[in-house]
This record gives sequence, C-alpha cells and structure tokens, in this order.
Amino acid sequence: GQNIDQPTEMTATEGAIVQINCTYQTSGFNGLFWYQQHAGEAPTFLSYNVLDGLEEKGRFSSFLSRSKGYSYLLLKELQMKDSASYLCAVTGSSNTGKLIFGQGTTLQVKP
Amino acid sequence: DGGITQSPKYLFRKEGQNVTLSCEQNLNHDAMYWYRQDPGQGLRLIYYSQIVNDFQKGDIAEGYSVSREKKESFPLTVTSAQKNPTAFYLCASSSWASGRENEQYFGPGTRLTVT
Repeated sequence: GQNIDQPTEMTATEGAIVQINCTYQTSGFNGLFWYQQHAGEAPTFLSYNVLDGLEEKGRFSSFLSRSKGYSYLLLKELQMKDSASYLCAVTGSSNTGKLIFGQGTTLQVKP
Repeated sequence: DGGITQSPKYLFRKEGQNVTLSCEQNLNHDAMYWYRQDPGQGLRLIYYSQIVNDFQKGDIAEGYSVSREKKESFPLTVTSAQKNPTAFYLCASSSWASGRENEQYFGPGTRLTVT
C-alpha cells in the first residue's frame, strides 16, 4: 500500500524554529515535495528533494532520507504569516505525474 | 500571466443536481488533475489526464465525471450519485515528466456546497 504520515497539528512561537516530519511508505519513489497551503487557498510549492540530504532555501529547509522513508521541513525565524497547512507529497516510480499527498500538518504560530 | 483558473470560487447547488466545475490552464502542461479536500484533510485524487482525450480514475472517482477535449481545459462534473459532494475542489496541472517537472501547479479552488 501507499501511506504518508504527518502530524495533524503543531503550535510554535513567533521567532522560533519548528520541524514538521513526514514518513512515507510507497511502492516507488522519485522525489518528495513540500507545499504550503493557507486556509481556503491553493497549495504553493516550497521544496523538492530527490537525493538524501538537506536543501536550504531562505528560512525554509527540507531534509530527505530515502533509506528511512523520512523527510522533514524546517522553518526558522517563524512569522505569523507562516500559520498554514504544510503538505508532504511523494512521486511514485511510474511516470504519470501523480503525487501522493499526506493529510497535511496545520501549523499555528503564536505571538 | 500563465496559470490555472477555476471558476466560480463559491458554488451552491441543491441536492440531486449535477454541477460542472471549470478548470483552464495556459501553462502548456500535458497533465491535469482534480482533487477533493475536506476540512483538516489532505488532497484526494479524483481523476487525472495525461493527454488530450484520455483520462484515468483516481482514488475517489465514484460520483464524478471528467472530459479532456482540449489541452487547456479539464472540467469536472459532480453528479447526483456523489454522496457527499460538499467540499473544496482543487485543479492542478503539470508537465508529467520526471523530477522537479512533476511539480503540480494549483488553481485557486472552488468551494462547492450542496444542500
């Protein structure tokens, strides 16, 4: 089967660092996406990992371990506008373009 | 500007009526997708299409139908057979290549309420 797990909710304080984990079990793997989605809006692209290691992009970083089926999204210097849902999505081995999404993690940033 | 449009943003229908949600893209993408999102949940794939005049069922296709007569357009019909149609519907497109090209671009969504 195909399964992607993320925590349902997280809370953090403005200015702090938060790590959102994602574990996956899929029949194939080509890469892993992280998307940000504000309430009632479309998901927007944050990062893409295909090789093991850390990808840094400003305040956001994403890590992947293919052998462990594990990824995390790291958000530094949290701002109130970072309050949103964060979706982990995996591309399978078939070249269909399909993404398998986790249920998303709703992050609330408090002052 | 290139992008994906969905209209309308809010749609209200009576139970028992079919309703069609529009999705148009001018990104020249080959693949298009329809997802459903319920409160506090992730995206569930309804239908997808990799090329014109061809489409496949996703994980929750029952009660829905699609067509892909043009590359730019992928309308979704929510039929009266769909038991719980009230949801947020997202359309996306991609170039369905491997790697970063798998990135899906999303439209703004249509919130459908059926009473």
